[in-house]
Amino acid sequence: KAGVTQTPRYLIKTRGQQVTLSCSPISGHRSVSWYQQTPGQGLQFLFEYFSETQRNKGNFPGRFSGRQFSNSRSEMNVSTLELGDSALYLCASSLAENYGYTFGSGTRLTVV
Amino acid sequence: GNSVTQMEGPVTLSEEAFLTINCTYTATGYPSLFWYVQYPGEGLQLLLKATKADDKGSNKGFEATYRKETTSFHLEKGSVQVSDSAVYFCALSDLLLLQGGSEKLVFGKGTKLTVNP
Repeated sequence: KAGVTQTPRYLIKTRGQQVTLSCSPISGHRSVSWYQQTPGQGLQFLFEYFSETQRNKGNFPGRFSGRQFSNSRSEMNVSTLELGDSALYLCASSLAENYGYTFGSGTRLTVV
Repeated sequence: GNSVTQMEGPVTLSEEAFLTINCTYTATGYPSLFWYVQYPGEGLQLLLKATKADDKGSNKGFEATYRKETTSFHLEKGSVQVSDSAVYFCALSDLLLLQGGSEKLVFGKGTKLTVNP
């Protein structure tokens, strides 16, 4: 059974640019969440999607956005990149509440 | 808001030693509790979970018991191996029924474990 697939694995961008990260959840999982992991702040919740609807959003500026497609695949976008956006971005999918999330390997974004 | 506190690392043990990583939580209601493990350069893997008080989650020799009275979910393993070296995260599930059942995980800061041969 394929796991959660995130692309690309690594990305280097310049300040002011925008970036799009992609996530393919486990087949049958309709809930997809995104987390940002940094050494200073740890793991922080970005947003959660279910059936193409954003149900919850974390405390991040509007530069961070996302969407989910009808096949449950999800993308997140960060516009006007800042140095502080450098992080590991993790996508996770779940079959149902309290089931537990399965995480992808992440996209390592470096902003220079 | 809900929060998770876990013991600061790093923790360094010899192979076959006993492991305990402490985790306590603050939450309204009775959240599900999880332990995740992260190996270098990888995402998080679900290690074990417990969904109600007194439940014991177990996997690969690791165990944790959901203690409502002490709001704790400590991770234990009787005999660690070098391959257990990783970062361990305690987390709770914050289920938002008023937002269509949206669920988000609230994580502790992680504990790095190094096991020496």
